[in-house]
Amino acid sequence: EAQVTQNPRYLITVTGKKLTVTCSQNMNHEYMSWYRQDPGLGLRQIYYSMNVEVTDKGDVPEGYKVSRKEKRNFPLILESPSPNQTSLYFCASSPSGRGGYEQYFGPGTRLTVT
Amino acid sequence: AQSVAQPEDQVNVAEGNPLTVKCTYSVSGNPYLFWYVQYPNRGLQFLLKYITGDNLVKGSYGFEAEFNKSQTSFHLKKPSALVSDSALYFCAVRAPGFKTIFGAGTRLFVKA
Repeated sequence: EAQVTQNPRYLITVTGKKLTVTCSQNMNHEYMSWYRQDPGLGLRQIYYSMNVEVTDKGDVPEGYKVSRKEKRNFPLILESPSPNQTSLYFCASSPSGRGGYEQYFGPGTRLTVT
Repeated sequence: AQSVAQPEDQVNVAEGNPLTVKCTYSVSGNPYLFWYVQYPNRGLQFLLKYITGDNLVKGSYGFEAEFNKSQTSFHLKKPSALVSDSALYFCAVRAPGFKTIFGAGTRLFVKA
């Protein structure tokens, strides 16, 4: 089954404790992206990657890191989480082409930072 | 600055009536336009997109959207709403360079 998987699905952590949220896709997509969803703000793009070793900032990259060492994986790293990073996080992927492809979304990771 | 606006936080419609969920955008160049739907406790699902060509595009579950370049709008429509259409709807724009901008979302409530 074609899918985007994220782990963990739920995470409660404390301020300053480094964490990684994994994202993997099995569709051989070049493009991958991370979003956060907050009430009233919709989805905001954190980082995106056009292909292996190619990443770029979205609208809200502060406090996050990413890496794209393999085509199928795109982990999101919070080096020192803070309460304002409490949110619902989605990973997505799509073919690259010229940008006209829809994105496939993972099930989401609900993160709480206390 | 690039932006996507969904002016209504919530749209209420009776089952069987037509529905419209509005979206306007401000993006340079010729963007690609998308609608996604989110059901409770689920990820986002693709509904439809406008890339080029006919201004009226048809998508999943009987939804369609009309692209209007002069008004920079991409409103989502359905001729006859179902209770099962109740969900959160997002308009998105994919600017040149693949940065993606989402609207804040519109909650659709269809009453039986």
